[in-house]
Amino acid sequence: DVKVTQSSRYLVKRTGEKVFLECVQDMDHENMFWYRQDPGLGLRLIYFSYDVKMKEKGDIPEGYSVSREKKERFSLILESASTNQTSMYLCASSWDRHGSYTFGSGTRLTVV
Amino acid sequence: EDKVVQSPLSLVVHEGDTVTLNCSYEVTNFRSLLWYKQEKKAPTFLFMLTSSGIEKKSGRLSSILDKKELSSILNITATQTGDSAIYLCAGARGGKLIFGQGTELSVKP
Repeated sequence: DVKVTQSSRYLVKRTGEKVFLECVQDMDHENMFWYRQDPGLGLRLIYFSYDVKMKEKGDIPEGYSVSREKKERFSLILESASTNQTSMYLCASSWDRHGSYTFGSGTRLTVV
Repeated sequence: EDKVVQSPLSLVVHEGDTVTLNCSYEVTNFRSLLWYKQEKKAPTFLFMLTSSGIEKKSGRLSSILDKKELSSILNITATQTGDSAIYLCAGARGGKLIFGQGTELSVKP
C-alpha cells in the first residue's frame, strides 16, 4: 500500500524552539508539498518541491524553511517556533501536475 | 489572487438525506478541480474534474464541474453516518492545489 508517512502525529514544543517535521513517501513521486490546516482557513501551501534539492515558496512561507536532500524525504523546519504556528501540518506528494495528491496523516503541532 | 470558496462551511443532516456541497474557484491557469474527503486523518481523493471530464460518479457520490460559472458541486445521496467528514475542494494551478475552507458535514442517525 503506497504511503506518505509523517513522523509524528502530535507534537508539543516551546516558543523559540527549532522544530523539524519529517515526511517520507514511498511512491517515487517527484513532487512534494507542505500545507497547514486551520479552522475556517482550509489548507494553505507553505512550501513545495518538484525535484531533489529544489524548493519553492508557497503562499505562507514566512517563519518556515524546508529541506529535500533525497527524493523520498521532505522536511519542514520552524526556525524559531511561535504560538501562531500552532496548527495541523499536512504533507503530500504527487507524480503529475494535475494535483492528484496523496496526503500523510498530519502532525498536530502545539507551540506553548 | 487565486481563491477557492466553499459553501456551506458546515452542515448537519439526517441519514438518508441528500446533500449538495458547493465550490467556486478563481484560479489562474486552471487545470482541474479536485474533491477530497477528510475524516480524522489524511484527506482521501474523491474526484478530479477537468475540461475533458466534467461529471464524475462513484456510488452515492457525484460531482459536476461548470466551467462557465467557475464552480463545482458534490452531491451525496442517501447519506450515511460514515459520510460525516470535512469535504475539501481544490483548484489545480500548475502542480499545486489551492484549497477552499472545507465543508464540515455531520450525518445524524
